[in-house]
Amino acid sequence: ILNVEQSPQSLHVQEGDSTNFTCSFPSSNFYALHWYRWETAKSPEALFVMTLNGDEKKKGRISATLNTKEGYSYLYIKGSQPEDSATYLCASYSGGYQKVTFGTGTKLQVIP
Amino acid sequence: DGGITQSPKYLFRKEGQNVTLSCEQNLNHDAMYWYRQDPGQGLRLIYYSQIVNDFQKGDIAEGYSVSREKKESFPLTVTSAQKNPTAFYLCASSPGLAGMYEQFFGPGTRLTVL
Repeated sequence: ILNVEQSPQSLHVQEGDSTNFTCSFPSSNFYALHWYRWETAKSPEALFVMTLNGDEKKKGRISATLNTKEGYSYLYIKGSQPEDSATYLCASYSGGYQKVTFGTGTKLQVIP
Repeated sequence: DGGITQSPKYLFRKEGQNVTLSCEQNLNHDAMYWYRQDPGQGLRLIYYSQIVNDFQKGDIAEGYSVSREKKESFPLTVTSAQKNPTAFYLCASSPGLAGMYEQFFGPGTRLTVL
């Protein structure tokens, strides 16, 4: 079983602040990394699927980078808004391993 | 609207009883998955299915069973052999193999064993 770790476990920021989280994963046999946003009382929703070393993806104020050689990915939120409050999950997929392994998530609370 | 539905939202079961959780998708996805969430842990894979009439065990399959008779449906049975079944269960689907495709999730079922 892969070991996927996320930090910090939880985070409180003021509205308008920028923030970032880390996802660490085993770099050997890497295939893909996913980021999901999970709002309370809703279903997790995909933010990014990243496969190549050096990948950078952006969706509005949210962006992510990927370093497959050292086994980490950063998720950035610029100018946090209260609607960004959610748990952010990362998940790593290893080649030849027919499934995705999830981290425990980073819970973000944006204070108005 | 396309999506994934799970029912029921809350489920209570007496010890020793089997119970089946429903998962239906109208996204025309080939692959479907069942995950379990416990406090302080990441989502853990129970079973997955890449095509109809085929499914594979995930990391924590003991005490669970599934079927995939139709593309749209992937029910999960929690049997009496599952030692600690109280948890939140999520169903998901993807167009193809996990990894290259994002997964689409249902709203979940919270199972409580009394």
